[in-house]
Formats: sequence, structure tokens, C-alpha cells
Amino acid sequence: SAVISQKPSRDICQRGTSLTIQCQVDSQVTMMFWYRQQPGQSLTLIATANQGSEATYESGFVIDKFPISRPNLTFSTLTVSNMSPEDSSIYLCSVQGARVDTQYFGPGTRLTVL
Amino acid sequence: GEDVEQSLFLSVREGDSSVINCTYTDSSSTYLYWYKQEPGAGLQLLTYIFSNMDMKQDQRLTVLLNKKDKHLSLRIADTQTGDSAIYFCAEAKYRDDKIIFGKGTRLHILP
Repeated sequence: SAVISQKPSRDICQRGTSLTIQCQVDSQVTMMFWYRQQPGQSLTLIATANQGSEATYESGFVIDKFPISRPNLTFSTLTVSNMSPEDSSIYLCSVQGARVDTQYFGPGTRLTVL
Repeated sequence: GEDVEQSLFLSVREGDSSVINCTYTDSSSTYLYWYKQEPGAGLQLLTYIFSNMDMKQDQRLTVLLNKKDKHLSLRIADTQTGDSAIYFCAEAKYRDDKIIFGKGTRLHILP
């Protein structure tokens, strides 16, 4: 089974700054996903991170606000840029395993923007 | 549009069965999932069902799918304190498609 770690686990940031969240997987995976879980809301997919190409963003999310890197098959970063209090959320990294019952999620990064 | 609805809270006595319900709107959904999120932890895939199935049983877990009504349920038999968590219903059109989540049902276990 894939083990996913995220750094940082939590952070408190000032408005206007940026934070980069790292996601590390212990095995090579083709597709990595970034989700946002706002308080009291469902998880929302931000983008799909593809190795060797630009990330694919969902409606309502743009690259300037959430730039993503995917330098190899085990690592990805999500940056939350020019943060505002509305960006306070849990951000989760996820990977799809080889079988349909092997979708793995990281522990999440809890971000608070003051 | 894509939407997944579930009730936000459920309280169940220890030892009783818990039934968490979910409705979805996208009739083309092929994969239907139940995820569990314990406090401070990431999501864990509990079980899933394909849209061509009516029921799936896995130990204490039973998933029922009514495709006509677009209704999915998760039954946890003999609920234990360790089952206390948030349970997310989710759906996807195909295996590598984005997963659409409900808001989650917080299961509270009464002694």
C-alpha cells in the first residue's frame, strides 16, 4: 500500500503570503490529486498533478493562485499564493493506486490564514 | 450537475447498527465510495461499489445501492467506539476520474 506524507502538517500564515505544501509518496504513482476541505464542507478537487506536464485545474481554481509542481512520480507540491482568510482549509494530497480500491490520501495540511 | 448529499450527524448506541445514507445526482456515476476520516487523520477508503451492483458486504460493513433512486447507504453492524469518525460518500464516473465528495456524516457513538 502507498504511504503518503505531507509537510507541513499545519501552519498559521499572514494574509498576502504564500505557503508551499509538499506531498511525498513511498512508491511511484501516475496520478496525484490535490483536494481542499473547507470547514463544514465536502472535499473539493483543486487539480490533478501529472508528471511531466502542467497540472489540470478544476473549475474555480487557477494556476496563478495554486501553482503545482510534479517533478517526479513520487513527489508534488501545491502552493497557496497571496493567501487570504478564505484560504483557511485542510489541503489533502491523494494518489490513485493500481486498483480501484486503492485510493490513498495524505494526512492533510491544516492551514489557517490570519 | 454533480452533487452528493448526506446528513451531517448521526448518533448510535454502542453495539447497535449504524446506517449512513447518501444521495447523488449524476446517473452516470460508475464508482461509489465510502471514506472514513478519523480525528486528525487523512481519509481512508472503507469500501466501494460499482454501479452495476446492488449490495456489497465486507465484514461489519454492508453497502446498499439503489441506482434508480441514486441512493447509497453504509451499514455498520455492531458499532464500536472506534467507529467514531466522519464518513464521506463519494462518486466518480470512472476509475481515474475526479472524486466528488459529500460533506461527510459525523458518527457519534453513545455508551
